[in-house]
Amino acid sequence: HLVESGGGLVQPGGSLRLSCAASGVIFRSYWMSWVRQAPGKGLEWVANIILDGSERYYVDSVKGRFTISRDNAKNSLYLQMNNLGVDDTAVYYCVTVASGYYFDNWGQGTPVTVPS
Amino acid sequence: QTVVTQEPSFSVSPGGTVTLTCGLSSGSVSTDLYPSWCQQTPGQAPRTLIYNTNTRSSGVPDRFSGSILGNKAALTITGAQADDESDYYCVLYMTRGHWVFGGGTKLTVL
Repeated sequence: HLVESGGGLVQPGGSLRLSCAASGVIFRSYWMSWVRQAPGKGLEWVANIILDGSERYYVDSVKGRFTISRDNAKNSLYLQMNNLGVDDTAVYYCVTVASGYYFDNWGQGTPVTVPS
Repeated sequence: QTVVTQEPSFSVSPGGTVTLTCGLSSGSVSTDLYPSWCQQTPGQAPRTLIYNTNTRSSGVPDRFSGSILGNKAALTITGAQADDESDYYCVLYMTRGHWVFGGGTKLTVL
């Protein structure tokens, strides 16, 4: 069970920090990712972090602006988003990555809106 | 830039069979890319139906199957039902820590 929070309305150039609380899964055993979906559009993988947080990966469009992190003691995943733009408007999903490199458990998502 | 290609839309009759495909703008899809398929109904979070090319997730009906057809990954629905009407996304594991989604196929059952 994954529950995202922290979404909302933010002005262009602003920042937001998304959180994802995990329960019912052995959080520390999963790579974790964020996937987003712009209104009326398809899914886009955004960022990934491995078990101990020592490796982080990003889609090119968010590199240098977004930072993924995790706290295994708190069973929590985070996404710090800076310098937000209109194109970052989306529902952001927290997902577990199972062995076999697929997205196993999905949260319900938290919406982020950056108005033009 | 890698582009994962899917049919934008498809239609199938109830009880019919449909095969959705997932290709690459450059190159072939193989099992090395760990293709998986996600289903999303409007207003809902996605769920993964098929992973590692052809393994069904827990609880997924056996009318859903995955394969490699030629140079593409494929999702076949045999005996389509009304509640299969959804958006279907292919996702490929391109390199360590990186995935790319296809644009999705909107499936209509009518």
